[in-house]
Parts: sequence; C-alpha cells; structure tokens
Amino acid sequence: TQLLEQSPQFLSIQEGENLTVYCNSSSVFSSLQWYRQEPGEGPVLLVTVVTGGEVKKLKRLTFQFGDARKDSSLHITAAQPGDTGLYLCAGALMDSSYKLIFGSGTRLLVRP
Amino acid sequence: SAVISQKPSRDICQRGTSLTIQCQVDSQVTMMFWYRQQPGQSLTLIATANQGSEATYESGFVIDKFPISRPNLTFSTLTVSNLSPEDSSIYLCSVDRPRGTTYEQYFGPGTRLTVT
Repeated sequence: TQLLEQSPQFLSIQEGENLTVYCNSSSVFSSLQWYRQEPGEGPVLLVTVVTGGEVKKLKRLTFQFGDARKDSSLHITAAQPGDTGLYLCAGALMDSSYKLIFGSGTRLLVRP
Repeated sequence: SAVISQKPSRDICQRGTSLTIQCQVDSQVTMMFWYRQQPGQSLTLIATANQGSEATYESGFVIDKFPISRPNLTFSTLTVSNLSPEDSSIYLCSVDRPRGTTYEQYFGPGTRLTVT
C-alpha cells in the first residue's frame, strides 16, 4: 500500500507566524500536488511540482519537491487568518500518473 | 482548470435508501474520479470512470454498493446504495487536465451526505 504521511495533523498559530507542513513517502511520485480545502467546499489546487528539487512560490507560500521525488514541503510565511483551512498533499504514482494518493491532511488555524 | 458542479450539495437520507449524486463538467474529459471524504479525514478514491467503459473500483469499494454511470464526456453519476450511517461522508468528483508531462486534478464542491 502506498502511503503519503503528512505532518503535523493540526496546527494552531498566531497571525504573523511561519509554519511548514511536510509530506513524506517511501514511494517515488511523478508529480505532487498541494490543495487547500475550506469547509463546505472541494479542494482547490494550489500548485503542482514535477521535478526533483523544484521550488515554487505562490505569494507567501513556498512549495518544495524533494530531490528523490518522495517528499514535499509547504512553507507559509507570515500566516494570515485567510490561510486557515485543510491542506492536502497528493502524489501521482510513477506507474499511474492520473491516480492520486492523498496525504492525511493538515488542519491549519491562524488566530488573529 | 475546470468548472465542476455537483448535485445535490447536501442531503439527509434514511438508512436502507440510496442517493444518486450528479457531476457535471464544463468541458469534455476522458476520466472522471469519485472520492469519499469521511468526517475529519482526507480523500479516498472510490473509482475512476471512463466514458464508454465500466468504472474501475479501488480496493474496498464495489460496484453493487457504489454503481457509477458515465453516459457522456461531461457527466457522471455515483449512487451510494443501501445506506448506513457509516456512509455519512462528503462525496467529491474530480477531473484531470494534462499539464506538461503530468496531470492536475480539479474538484467539484462536494456532496455532503448524512444518513440517519
């Protein structure tokens, strides 16, 4: 069974703080996607990383794909209450690039 | 990206009944996916639906419980049959779009099912 472990499961921080969310696996992925989901809505795609070692920035969010394409991280700088939500990583397996394996999710609460 | 709608957005159903969820996409797609998200949990893939062929189910999900239709390239339905309280979840459909050498998945807003 392919597993994508995500940590931490829950994070409650003060506005202005920085945080990092991690996704780790023993499997190699052809790509990895990060989503944010708010209550009552479907997951919204934030970014896709494809190349080992790749770093992508989306305003205050920085995404990194591990060199071996087995892990990824999401770093948020100066978190704001609008960043509150469920963050999900999802990896596309090498042998089936259309099928995603989802991490367990990180529920982020940013307190004003 | 893709614009995806789902109906109903939520429903409360009695034990033993069935619920059919519709998923409509704004453009033609080859594959559509159905996921389940149990309360407080992440997403689990139920099945992949290709137009013109039977859906492919993941381990732990069977056609008798989760029949799927895919009559054309923009529409799919998922039925959750013989409902029990354990079926209370959010059900999501998604589609993928090619992006370079990979694919990206886009999700509908979900259908929140409560079984009493």
